[in-house]
Amino acid sequence: EAGVAQSPRYKIIEKRQSVAFWCNPISGHATLYWYQQILGQGPKLLIQFQNNGVVDDSQLPKDRFSAERLKGVDSTLKIQPAKLEDSAVYLCASSPRDRAYGYTFGSGTRLTVV
Amino acid sequence: AQKVTQAQTEISVVEKEDVTLDCVYETRDTTYYLFWYKQPPSGELVFLIRRNSFDEQNEISGRYSWNFQKSTSSFNFTITASQVVDSAVYFCALSDLTGNQFYFGTGTSLTVIP
Repeated sequence: EAGVAQSPRYKIIEKRQSVAFWCNPISGHATLYWYQQILGQGPKLLIQFQNNGVVDDSQLPKDRFSAERLKGVDSTLKIQPAKLEDSAVYLCASSPRDRAYGYTFGSGTRLTVV
Repeated sequence: AQKVTQAQTEISVVEKEDVTLDCVYETRDTTYYLFWYKQPPSGELVFLIRRNSFDEQNEISGRYSWNFQKSTSSFNFTITASQVVDSAVYFCALSDLTGNQFYFGTGTSLTVIP
């Protein structure tokens, strides 16, 4: 079974620029998550999709972050404009309907905002 | 409030030593799941184990074992005869039974010295 694919692997941008991350979940996984992991901290959920609908985006800074999951498969997370404090690893994860079995995570995109 | 505490920020052991990673949690739920994840230097989070709150049996998988004690709200993880490949950051996590509310601890960075 192929894992969760994410790209790019690394990204360096200047503050106030825009950036987008892409995620391709495991085939057949209905639920997709984006997590933000700041250095030295545990991952924090940004948004959860069930198919192409948003289940939970309560911790997504909606003034600058947006995410979509068209056709219930791939997803993109965008930051516009980026701030220094957005420097983090952005992890995508997916799970089958039984979410409590835990997620399969991708390798993440390491974003550095300078 | 839901909370996961991993008091050990960093641990270093010499290869073949045993090591225990501590995890203490707080939850208002009477039933819940506990997890351990491993994050190697490559960045992805690897699922290790899920434990139901109503199953207090200890579990052993090869060199890994887990000690769940509901009375002390702890879910500790022991690696026996540690190896260099065990070097990683280990996260303990807590979720409700739907998996929707998923909280990670801040992680324990384990370094196994050859």
